Amino acid sequence: DTGVSQDPRHKITKRGQNVTFRCDPISEHNRLYWYRQTLGQGPEFLTYFQNEAQLEKSRLLSDRFSAERPKGSFSTLEIQRTEQGDSAMYLCASSRRRQGADTQYFGPGTRLTVL
Amino acid sequence: QKEVEQNSGPLSVPEGAIASLNCTYSDRGSQSFFWYRQYSGKSPELIMSIYSNGDKEDGRFTAQLNKASQYVSLLIRDSQPSDSATYLCAVNPPGGGNKLTFGTGTQLKVEL
Repeated sequence: DTGVSQDPRHKITKRGQNVTFRCDPISEHNRLYWYRQTLGQGPEFLTYFQNEAQLEKSRLLSDRFSAERPKGSFSTLEIQRTEQGDSAMYLCASSRRRQGADTQYFGPGTRLTVL
Repeated sequence: QKEVEQNSGPLSVPEGAIASLNCTYSDRGSQSFFWYRQYSGKSPELIMSIYSNGDKEDGRFTAQLNKASQYVSLLIRDSQPSDSATYLCAVNPPGGGNKLTFGTGTQLKVEL
């Protein structure tokens, strides 16, 4: 069972540019999550997919952020018109509900630096 | 009040000792609780999950849950320098779908 993979691992961009990140979940995991983590903080929930449906989105998530999971497999997270405050580690996690439990496994993350 | 609270540390313990990490949560109806370990610059790695009151043991790790006190803890026996990391407590709150709410983490340092 390969783990969750994310690409790229690092991204440096200039303020105002658009960036897109990709996440490939563990095979057969139908749930996929995006979180953001800044230094000294725990991961903060951004959005969640079950199969291809986006079921929940954080109220804190700016309209500049959009996520897709077109075929219920991999997912992309796009940030438009990046700002310096978007600099963070973007984490993807996946899960599959078993015996009433839903355990999330994280990918290696994409570290975004906005100059 | 934060939804999930942890002491940020650092918590320093000598090698071979028991490390005790604590977490409190605010939503009384929360049902699922998780401990993740995070090394500096890396992503969170699942250590344990716990759903019922009491203790759950896995190797050197024991998770303890007390829903009445809204308290969950992680004990690490025979602490090793490789256990030095930040430990994140995560809770699946009631009505929160499947998202996890994390604490800020406790930094553990195991000293030789």
